[in-house]
This record gives sequence, structure tokens and C-alpha cells, in this order.
Amino acid sequence: AQRVTQPEKLLSVFKGAPVELKCNYSYSGSPELFWYVQYSRQRLQLLLRHISRESIKGFTADLNKGETSFHLKKPFAQEEDSAMYYCALGVHGSSNTGKLIFGQGTTLQVKP
Amino acid sequence: NAGVMQNPRHLVRRRGQEARLRCSPMKGHSHVYWYRQLPEEGLKFMVYLQKENIIDESGMPKERFSAEFPKEGPSILRIQQVVRGDSAAYFCASSPSTGANVLTFGAGSRLTVL
Repeated sequence: AQRVTQPEKLLSVFKGAPVELKCNYSYSGSPELFWYVQYSRQRLQLLLRHISRESIKGFTADLNKGETSFHLKKPFAQEEDSAMYYCALGVHGSSNTGKLIFGQGTTLQVKP
Repeated sequence: NAGVMQNPRHLVRRRGQEARLRCSPMKGHSHVYWYRQLPEEGLKFMVYLQKENIIDESGMPKERFSAEFPKEGPSILRIQQVVRGDSAAYFCASSPSTGANVLTFGAGSRLTVL
């Protein structure tokens, strides 16, 4: 079964504290993982993807195939990081492009 | 580039009426996806379309829901005989033909069924 699990509905931290948003997936094929973010009153937008192996706004995520995880991390949270974060799994059908399976989302609240 | 355009942003319907949600993909994108977000839940995949073709409709409810992406004009998600449980935010996303899984989302259409 194709599934993405984000165990925390809400994560609340103080400014400057480290952040880790958890994501686990279940997929029999070769996984392609993404993190999307939705800031207040804005559209859902791509934050980063595991293929790129880049750091965006200080966030990083490493794909761990052994633990089937793709946790999102930032060493020092900022108030502007407060948003809803979705982990997503790209699955492929018979065509070259496929669809994204989303987790339930985690609301990150960074307190001053 | 106006991005993915969805309308209406808000739609109110009474039980039994029809709801039509429209989505114009980003310029140059030929793939459209519809997702539904029920209150307190994540985004659930509904359907994936290319021009004039439904590629994957595994997430569509079996009855009352249909989607199309005609040769000309926007993609339309149609819900017939709406019920209260259809109240949700419906998001459209698009991707280019060669950009697998990198989706650009619209602002969403919020359907309220009275």
C-alpha cells in the first residue's frame, strides 16, 4: 500500500529551537519524496524534494530507505517558519508522470 | 504567468444541487490533478487528467463525481446532487509534461453544502 504518515498534527517550538517534522512512507517502488508548505493565506508550494538534496530556507530532509523516513529538519526555527507542512510521496503509474500521495500535514508553530 | 487559476474560490450549494469547479493550469502545463481536503484531514488525491484523457481516477468517489479536461478550456470537477459530506476544499494542481510529480497548486475552491 502507498501511504504517508505524519504522526504529529501540531508541533510547537520556541524561536531558535531545533525543529524536526517527522514523515514515514510505505511504497514498494523507488520512492520520490517531497515536502510542501502552506503559509497562512497562501497556496501550497513545494519546499524541497529529496532528489535535489538542497537546503531551502534552512530546511533539509534526508531520505532514509532503511527506516522509510523523510524527516524535515531545521537547526534554528524562525517565527516565519510557522505554517502547515505536508510530506508527499510521488508514485508512478504506467505513464511517466504520476501522482502525489500526501500525509495528514503537521502544523508548525514557532513561538517568540 | 498567472499560475494555476481556480474558480470559484467559494461556492455554496444546497443539498441536491450541482457544483462545478474550474481549473486552468499553468501556462505550458498539460497535466492536471484534483485533490480534496476534508476538514481536519490531509490532501486526498482524486483524479489525474491530461487533455481529453483521464489518466488515473482511482481517488474519485464512484458516484456523483466526474472530471474532464477538454481540448479547449479549463478542467472541470463536477459534483452532482451534493451532500453535506462533500463540503471541503478542492485543490487543483498542474505539472508540465516532463516534470514528474512537481506540482504547482491553485488557491483552492471551498465548497460548502447547506
